[in-house]
Amino acid sequence: GENVEQHPSTLSVQEGDSAVIKCTYSDSASNYFPWYKQELGKRPQLIIDIRSNVGEKKDQRIAVTLNKTAKHFSLHITETQPEDSAVYFCAATLSGFQKLVFGTGTRLLVSP
Amino acid sequence: KAGVTQTPRYLIKTRGQQVTLSCSPISGHRSVSWYQQTPGQGLQFLFEYFSETQRNKGNFPGRFSGRQFSNSRSEMNVSTLELGDSALYLCASSGGGYNYNEQFFGPGTRLTVL
Repeated sequence: GENVEQHPSTLSVQEGDSAVIKCTYSDSASNYFPWYKQELGKRPQLIIDIRSNVGEKKDQRIAVTLNKTAKHFSLHITETQPEDSAVYFCAATLSGFQKLVFGTGTRLLVSP
Repeated sequence: KAGVTQTPRYLIKTRGQQVTLSCSPISGHRSVSWYQQTPGQGLQFLFEYFSETQRNKGNFPGRFSGRQFSNSRSEMNVSTLELGDSALYLCASSGGGYNYNEQFFGPGTRLTVL
């Protein structure tokens, strides 16, 4: 079955720096890749997603890139702010299937 | 639109008991998925219901079961609770069709098994 690896497990940056979180998936049939942000004690919230027919997608300070050949996808956050501090999860699935396979999460700490 | 809601928010049970958790999806969403979140195992898929039918299933024992009603509300049941079942149980709803992959999570039910 699908397996998703996520790195790093923790990431500390200074406010204003960029942060990059990387994921690798195993099932080449996967074609939908969402990213979720989970603040302490709160529900995971979708922040951005990408489908396999697109190589990159941006939304303000957040971007996601996808390399289908290498089965890698990454989350890029620019100009980080303290409120970006949270745990970020990547996930993969096949369109039409609601079975998200999650990475193990990255705890991002943005220091003022 | 109101978001996904889950009840109860907190539960404390003892080993051997059973528990039922409820999830109300976003209005119009027909798919409800359930996930278990623990510090050690992360977020793991339990099962998904669509139009009252279980459509996908994860690798959990048969003690974990679910159902969905005609109004798309879903329940999950865990029988013969074990200490390892202590977790945050999250449900997520989506439109359920091929192009409706976005899943929106509820606040979760935190289950503690003593």
